[in-house]
Amino acid sequence: AQSVTQLGSHVSVSEGALVLLRCNYSSSVPPYLFWYVQYPNQGLQLLLKYTTGATLVKGINGFEAEFKKSETSFHLTKPSAHMSDAAEYFCAVSYAAGSYQLTFGKGTKLSVIP
Amino acid sequence: GAVVSQHPSRVICKSGTSVKIECRSLDFQATTMFWYRQFPKKSLMLMATSNEGSKATYEQGVEKDKFLINHASLTLSTLTVTSAHPEDSSFYICSARVQAGELFFGEGSRLTVL
Repeated sequence: AQSVTQLGSHVSVSEGALVLLRCNYSSSVPPYLFWYVQYPNQGLQLLLKYTTGATLVKGINGFEAEFKKSETSFHLTKPSAHMSDAAEYFCAVSYAAGSYQLTFGKGTKLSVIP
Repeated sequence: GAVVSQHPSRVICKSGTSVKIECRSLDFQATTMFWYRQFPKKSLMLMATSNEGSKATYEQGVEKDKFLINHASLTLSTLTVTSAHPEDSSFYICSARVQAGELFFGEGSRLTVL
């Protein structure tokens, strides 16, 4: 069975500081990896995804993530946090090409301190 | 981007009653819709996959007689929680898949059963 672990249910950073949200997955086959953001009372919005090809993936709002097979990780980063980045972030994995039956991590709430 | 709308966003009902939640794709035809349940401080749990015109495929452990899913058209799927009880209180989220494979999520519906 596939699984996703997000380390840290709550992360706080200062405005302008580096954002690092950690995600590890378990897999015996190449995964498809996703990061979603959820603002209060809203649905999930896709930030970025890794399917094949370049392991460093750039997404919206200045976020990027790097797929590291040796570490089974797909950590999300942003060089400089903005107040508008405060939200819940979910890492997700899918193992079937063309299938979007996602398995989600428990989420990490990002707070940005002025 | 594509828009997926859920209605109602919040619903409170008495124990024993049934509640219907609608998920609509507003500007595209969704061949597949997914229903998730999100517990507080927990990840999204896939409940079922719904394909237009056919019976939904439920995940293991999800009671199909309790959570009735109908996908009557390419733009509408409904989730009916039958004979709701307090333990059914949760945040229910739908997603719809565009032909090309991208997933779009609804805003979610918070169900509270008294």
